Amino acid sequence: EIVLTQSPGTLSLSPGERATLSCRASQSVSSNLVWYQQKPGQAPRLLIYDASSRDTGIPDRFSGSGSGTDFTLTISRLEPEDFAVYYCQQYGSLSWTFGQGTKVEIK
Amino acid sequence: EVQLVGSGGGLVQPGESLRLSCVASGFTFTTYWMSWVRQAPGQGLEWVANIKQDGSEKNYVDSVKGRFTISRDNAKNSLYLQMDSLTAEDTALYYCVSGGFRFHYWGQGMLVTVSS
Repeated sequence: EIVLTQSPGTLSLSPGERATLSCRASQSVSSNLVWYQQKPGQAPRLLIYDASSRDTGIPDRFSGSGSGTDFTLTISRLEPEDFAVYYCQQYGSLSWTFGQGTKVEIK
Repeated sequence: EVQLVGSGGGLVQPGESLRLSCVASGFTFTTYWMSWVRQAPGQGLEWVANIKQDGSEKNYVDSVKGRFTISRDNAKNSLYLQMDSLTAEDTALYYCVSGGFRFHYWGQGMLVTVSS
């Protein structure tokens, strides 16, 4: 099973600041990585797929990068609605796994 | 509008069974792999199972193999999860989701609580 480790666990930032979230895989997943956003009481929302492709309707302040084992989700300027938990998920192997999540909270 | 409307969650005792159902609308169900993803209270996400468009291929996370069965009825745009021999570790919010390996549309989630 491929283990995804997200860091940091919590990111405390102010609106307008840049957020950089990391996801590291225990073995290569090529570019088979997705990022989701989850707000309290809601289902996750797909943001980025194939490591760097934004899903339909996702603002361009969200960007993804990386391949192999190291991936990054960047939010260029935090909007109030961006404070949430973010999960990465890999589909490079038959058993799909998620990271433990990074909470982006208001400082 | 895409909708994935689930039913069947509830409180059961360890060792008992439960069947979750999900009805899809707003997209062409028959062209999508479908999956179940769960989230234990206050915890992260865990992929549980997926099924190919025609039901000919199914995959499960190791922790549910032999206990859970995923199925679908394309005539009814419906996805199912039969859960047997439930344990406390299966307590979670279960999401019906579109996609086999990346998950685009999500249902509202069904709470399954396993407790004596």
